[in-house]
Amino acid sequence: DTGVSQNPRHKITKRGQNVTFRCDPISEHNRLYWYRQTLGQGPEFLTYFQNEAQLEKSRLLSDRFSAERPKGSFSTLEIQRTEQGDSAMYLCASSHKGLGSPVHEQFFGPGTRLTVL
Amino acid sequence: SQQGEEDPQALSIQEGENATMNCSYKTSINNLQWYRQNSGRGLVHLILIRSNEREKHSGRLRVTLDTSKKSSSLLITASRAADTASYFCATVMEYGNKLVFGAGTILRVKS
Repeated sequence: DTGVSQNPRHKITKRGQNVTFRCDPISEHNRLYWYRQTLGQGPEFLTYFQNEAQLEKSRLLSDRFSAERPKGSFSTLEIQRTEQGDSAMYLCASSHKGLGSPVHEQFFGPGTRLTVL
Repeated sequence: SQQGEEDPQALSIQEGENATMNCSYKTSINNLQWYRQNSGRGLVHLILIRSNEREKHSGRLRVTLDTSKKSSSLLITASRAADTASYFCATVMEYGNKLVFGAGTILRVKS
């Protein structure tokens, strides 16, 4: 399967613990996005990478959140000192964007559902 | 913050009927996209319409865009039980680099 994969699919943790999620994008895609989705809402943008460079971060991404994309391949999203309000589905998406072209179709992974007790 | 609002929030129809969902947004856009999400899963891209287009078709899907009213509609014709899902519109602003999603419409197609 050459789609976007995310691991783990589910994570239950206690408040105050750190968690890390991984996203493997479609291999030829240069853009990788992280979104957060809570129940009954649409996904909300968190951050995106162009190759290995993190180019934009949402105000939703507090200093407890950090994302990396070493070597422009897979990406990790870490949440430190988790809070109950962090409970959500974390979605990763990838796309290929040419220079000067607008954002178009994104390919989403299945998501990681985080529950903070 | 979310840019778009979908209407209705939920829609229940019989198999074979048409389903229409509407989306409104606030700022100038480069394009608008519709995505489908089955319960608890990732999103699947359905169709993209550019700001200089007014209507687009893909199989049983028809999308319209009215930039003067900042609104779009998604029509699914001859619906099937498998169309049961949440549908989201997402906009890309001029020179934007991300999708901005609405809250979605939950569609239930009864067989």
